[in-house]
Amino acid sequence: AQKVTQAQTEISVVEKEDVTLDCVYETRDTTYYLFWYKQPPSGELVFLIRRNSFDEQNEISGRYSWNFQKSTSSFNFTITASQVVDSAVYFCALSEAGGQNFVFGPGTRLSVLP
Amino acid sequence: SQTIHQWPATLVQPVGSPLSLECTVEGTSNPNLYWYRQAAGRGLQLLFYSVGIGQISSEVPQNLSASRPQDRQFILSSKKLLLSDSGFYLCAWSIGFYNEQFFGPGTRLTVL
Repeated sequence: AQKVTQAQTEISVVEKEDVTLDCVYETRDTTYYLFWYKQPPSGELVFLIRRNSFDEQNEISGRYSWNFQKSTSSFNFTITASQVVDSAVYFCALSEAGGQNFVFGPGTRLSVLP
Repeated sequence: SQTIHQWPATLVQPVGSPLSLECTVEGTSNPNLYWYRQAAGRGLQLLFYSVGIGQISSEVPQNLSASRPQDRQFILSSKKLLLSDSGFYLCAWSIGFYNEQFFGPGTRLTVL
């Protein structure tokens, strides 16, 4: 069965620090997709990135970067030079190509202090 | 471009009263539609999903039901609300199960 673990329940950093949010997943499929979402205080989930299991290249988008490592079943998310606006709950999610399930992790609450 | 609407934004209902939350999507055809619930400070719980009109799959047995009367309309209902139904309800859509889901603004439901 699919499973997504985000071991960090809450993280607090001071503005301009770098922070990494961990995501570990479990799946028996060879083809699957990984996602990150941001949920700011307003509540609406914002899609950040989608990665398929065949593409292990790391991705960078501005201050955001993602490190996908199949060997450790991890898809970690790093925010460089964090800002107060990055304060939110971040969810990692997994979908299997042949399945009808989209599994979310429990989320990590990030607080960036000024 | 695609847009997803949910209403109402907030709702306060007494225990035992009925519920109807509506979600509509614009700008896409034949999407998968989803209802999630998020209890305060908790993760997302998938309640229902639908791959087409009249096709509903339930993930969690409870006193809630869902219907999809039109391609881009998804309704969450209850005949009698319980205190435990309080939470933040999110509707989402996607094309296929392996593509990203896009979420609506959510409905914050308080059952008193």
